[in-house]
Amino acid sequence: DVKVTQSSRYLVKRTGEKVFLECVQDMDHENMFWYRQDPGLGLRLIYFSYDVKMKEKGDIPEGYSVSREKKERFSLILESASTNQTSMYLCASSLVAGGPDTQYFGPGTRLTVL
Amino acid sequence: KQEVTQIPAALSVPEGENLVLNCSFTDSAIYNLQWFRQDPGKGLTSLLLIQSSQREQTSGRLNASLDKSSGRSTLYIAASQPGDSATYLCAVAGGGNKLTFGTGTQLKVEL
Repeated sequence: DVKVTQSSRYLVKRTGEKVFLECVQDMDHENMFWYRQDPGLGLRLIYFSYDVKMKEKGDIPEGYSVSREKKERFSLILESASTNQTSMYLCASSLVAGGPDTQYFGPGTRLTVL
Repeated sequence: KQEVTQIPAALSVPEGENLVLNCSFTDSAIYNLQWFRQDPGKGLTSLLLIQSSQREQTSGRLNASLDKSSGRSTLYIAASQPGDSATYLCAVAGGGNKLTFGTGTQLKVEL
């Protein structure tokens, strides 16, 4: 079975802190994605990556950056956390670069910024 | 820009009832459509994926249909059980496997 893990289930940070959210997948998938989920807005794509060191902006990249130094790991970085970044963050991966395929999701990280 | 709508937003049914969840999308140029399940506070679990060339997919008590030309999909759940209680999300895949999600239907199956 595909397994996607996220470093924390719950995280509380203060405004202005630098925040790292880590995601690891164990099935050699090429694609990895970061979403945030908010009530009434659904899931929105922040960034995605087709390959190591490759990244593309999603629908809401402002205030975020990403890093993919190894194929299995995709990190989401909040350079200076703000209260409007309080949300549930979900990581996903899929097998084939550039092709439509099932996305497998991690359990999510609920981030609260005070 | 692709927009995905799910109706109803919430649904409560007695155990054993058959039910239909609806999903509509504005741009018919899709690669596939996926249905996911999300339990409270958890990640998403893929239920069914329908390629753009297909009309339906079945898995156990679940059947999903796709009418690309009209921009609609339905998820049919037969003989509902309390364990089916969850939020069901529809998502359409555009270029590069980017998914656009609906806001979901929250289902409660009561004993």
